[in-house]
Amino acid sequence: QKEVEQDPGPLSVPEGAIVSLNCTYSNSAFQYFMWYRQYSRKGPELLMYTYSSGNKEDGRFTAQVDKSSKYISLFIRDSQPSDSATYLCAMNGAGGTSYGKLTFGQGTILTVHP
Amino acid sequence: SQTIHQWPATLVQPVGSPLSLECTVEGTSNPNLYWYRQAAGRGLQLLFYSVGIGQISSEVPQNLSASRPQDRQFILSSKKLLLSDSGFYLCAWTLGRTSGTSYEQYFGPGTRLTVT
Repeated sequence: QKEVEQDPGPLSVPEGAIVSLNCTYSNSAFQYFMWYRQYSRKGPELLMYTYSSGNKEDGRFTAQVDKSSKYISLFIRDSQPSDSATYLCAMNGAGGTSYGKLTFGQGTILTVHP
Repeated sequence: SQTIHQWPATLVQPVGSPLSLECTVEGTSNPNLYWYRQAAGRGLQLLFYSVGIGQISSEVPQNLSASRPQDRQFILSSKKLLLSDSGFYLCAWTLGRTSGTSYEQYFGPGTRLTVT
């Protein structure tokens, strides 16, 4: 079993739809959770990060962490064609021995069509 | 503000040739640095990380090596490329470790390597 599981999709939605992207994980030591957006042939761009459980909102994006269920989500409201990209979840634990290393999901390909 | 550079952007190399990819970070000191490879399946595989000059840790045994000759410079190398070394290589940085600091990583633009 992989430490982080992410549905690879692809996910295709009409413009204006609410998108839900999800990851599950198995390591209870994970405390920092991130979402990256990656356009084709570009480096990943950090979208959101949260520490421990709870919600965080930034414009049309909401990141949600449920540590009791080991489940994280990214919601995109009023999706736009420019949101079409691969979305990667990433996470790691605290402590000096982790050295900031992240564990990534496989990424979900999202297409928002006009 | 901090910026991260990678070069070259694209590279086509024959099997058996050497490789040198460079990554530099500006606007920060003593960062942690990382090399990833992203194959067609989209997942990111951590290859090497470094917490300081000359300090390299390897995550996956392979045909590649890494070096950090300066605080903000990270180099990925190979003496003889294999077909399986093809992929998208990404460099990333994060703030050097202090207690309670979050762990966001910031990625460079990547180098697309094709081994023929």
